[in-house]
Amino acid sequence: QKEVEQNSGPLSVPEGAIASLNCTYSDRGSQSFFWYRQYSGKSPELIMSIYSNGDKEDGRFTAQLNKASQYVSLLIRDSQPSDSATYLCAVRDPFYNQGGKLIFGQGTELSVKP
Amino acid sequence: GAVVSQHPSWVICKSGTSVKIECRSLDFQATTMFWYRQFPKQSLMLMATSNEGSKATYEQGVEKDKFLINHASLTLSTLTVTSAHPEDSSFYICSARPAAANTEAFFGQGTRLTVV
Repeated sequence: QKEVEQNSGPLSVPEGAIASLNCTYSDRGSQSFFWYRQYSGKSPELIMSIYSNGDKEDGRFTAQLNKASQYVSLLIRDSQPSDSATYLCAVRDPFYNQGGKLIFGQGTELSVKP
Repeated sequence: GAVVSQHPSWVICKSGTSVKIECRSLDFQATTMFWYRQFPKQSLMLMATSNEGSKATYEQGVEKDKFLINHASLTLSTLTVTSAHPEDSSFYICSARPAAANTEAFFGQGTRLTVV
């Protein structure tokens, strides 16, 4: 059973702080990793994708990937109350790499306090 | 970015009736569409993968005769929940993937189904 694991939270950080979200995955053959943000009652929105070991930065977001440790993380700098949402880690199933099938973690609820 | 439109955004139906949900890719052709279900406070669970012109591939535990999927064109997939029951009440979300290789799938806005 291929698994993607996240701490469900809630993770609470003060406004302006760095929020750190973590994710581990079980299939060592995985090559593609994604972070989605989901507001309550809405569908997920892609915020970051990462495919290579190391860091990838996009504005206030930084995704980090360590394939040897089977670990991917998302850092949110200067957290804002509008960042309060559930963050879903997703891994593309390598068996279906061309088909795009994603396996989702259970999500981490982030709360940014003003 | 690519737009995926899902309709309706919410629906209430009586037990025993059927409900159809549409998923359209508005500005690209989608060879593959995915249907997910999400219960409150839980993550997305893939129900089935829909490929244009062929039968859908259902995940283990998903009844294909209850959740009918049709992907008759490159821009439209439909999910029909047949003989709906209260336990089918959930948030149904589709995603569509452009035909080009190594592109990501984009999500529709979701459909909140309530069966009473």
